[in-house]
Amino acid sequence: AQSVTQLGSHVSVSEGALVLLRCNYSSSVPPYLFWYVQYPNQGLQLLLKYTSAATLVKGINGFEAEFKKSETSFHLTKPSAHMSDAAEYFCAVSRNSGYSTLTFGKGTMLLVSP
Amino acid sequence: DAGITQSPRHKVTETGTPVTLRCHQTENHRYMYWYRQDPGHGLRLIHYSYGVKDTDKGEVSDGYSVSRSKTEDFLLTLESATSSQTSVYFCAISEGPGQRGTEAFFGQGTRLTVV
Repeated sequence: AQSVTQLGSHVSVSEGALVLLRCNYSSSVPPYLFWYVQYPNQGLQLLLKYTSAATLVKGINGFEAEFKKSETSFHLTKPSAHMSDAAEYFCAVSRNSGYSTLTFGKGTMLLVSP
Repeated sequence: DAGITQSPRHKVTETGTPVTLRCHQTENHRYMYWYRQDPGHGLRLIHYSYGVKDTDKGEVSDGYSVSRSKTEDFLLTLESATSSQTSVYFCAISEGPGQRGTEAFFGQGTRLTVV
């Protein structure tokens, strides 16, 4: 079975500050890992994905994440927060089945203050 | 945006009534999925389909059934709606086969309230 733990249901930062959203996973096989963002009343949009290539993955809107096998982590970072980054962020792991049946974390709401 | 249309977008129904949600895609993707989103739970997989008439259960399938008679349509049915099925339902699609780790594209969601 796979699982994802996102530490912190809410994270608050000031505009211009570093964004760090934490994700730890458990998987019995090499995982495929994803970060999605959800704006209010919207569907989910893929930010970035790790599929066993480079461990440092760059995504859209200046976000990146680093896969650390030894720590079973896939934390999401952005050097400088913008007001438009305020949204809910989900980390997800895919089953080792060839499909995209995703197991999601519970989500982290990012709040950005001026 | 991926061509995914969910209908209806909002629905209020009474306990015990049947409800069908529709997901329509224009991408000709093989795989389709239904998730539900609840506060504090993230998204959880209900059912998925890997081809026409080929479906399988997900993590929270009890009380739900699905059908896929055409590549482009994936229906989710609540045979007898309960208040615990009040949720936001998302359809997703992905390419395949054999593309491990391929990303899923999500629809805009259907907000279902069971009273």
